[in-house]
Amino acid sequence: NAGVTQTPKFRVLKTGQSMTLLCAQDMNHEYMYWYRQDPGMGLRLIHYSVGEGTTAKGEVPDGYNVSRLKKQNFLLGLESAAPSQTSVYFCASSWGYSNQPQHFGDGTRLSIL
Amino acid sequence: GENVEQHPSTLSVQEGDSAVIKCTYSDSASNYFPWYKQELGKRPQLIIDIRSNVGEKKDQRIAVTLNKTAKHFSLHITETQPEDSAVYFCAASYSSASKIIFGSGTRLSIRP
Repeated sequence: NAGVTQTPKFRVLKTGQSMTLLCAQDMNHEYMYWYRQDPGMGLRLIHYSVGEGTTAKGEVPDGYNVSRLKKQNFLLGLESAAPSQTSVYFCASSWGYSNQPQHFGDGTRLSIL
Repeated sequence: GENVEQHPSTLSVQEGDSAVIKCTYSDSASNYFPWYKQELGKRPQLIIDIRSNVGEKKDQRIAVTLNKTAKHFSLHITETQPEDSAVYFCAASYSSASKIIFGSGTRLSIRP
């Protein structure tokens, strides 16, 4: 079991460019989450999904879009990257409702110049 | 609103001493409280969790206590060791949505 796999691990973008971060899990989890982590601010939820074909907004959704076309994959898109989106992005998954442990990927370090 | 407050933001203890990190939450319906440890450059990893039907849970040197009335919970690490140095995050579930809210983290340093 690979668990939760995120690609890429590092990326540098120019302001205005677009990109997609991929999260894949092989644990047959229903729920998947995207967080961003900034110094001193902990983990903030961007978007999440409670099952294939569903998405919902978290605390800081502006500037991001997501899709969950397959149960095992959760994609995070930046349509027009801004320097404020420089961060470390973590994907997580869990079996079900909010009272289940979340399993995290290794993160993607994204820099926007 | 949905909020989890975590204190202190940094904590330094002598090796072998105990460390305590405290969190408060705002939603009285919260029923799940996990703690995650994140080493430098690594992913957050679950170290212990507690559900609202118990007041305390232990796992070797780690324990978590929950006071539902006061809406706060704490992480206790005894006999601290150098490998305990990391950032620790508390979190609380929110029944109104399928998510958990994280505290802002505590950077724990163990002095030799």
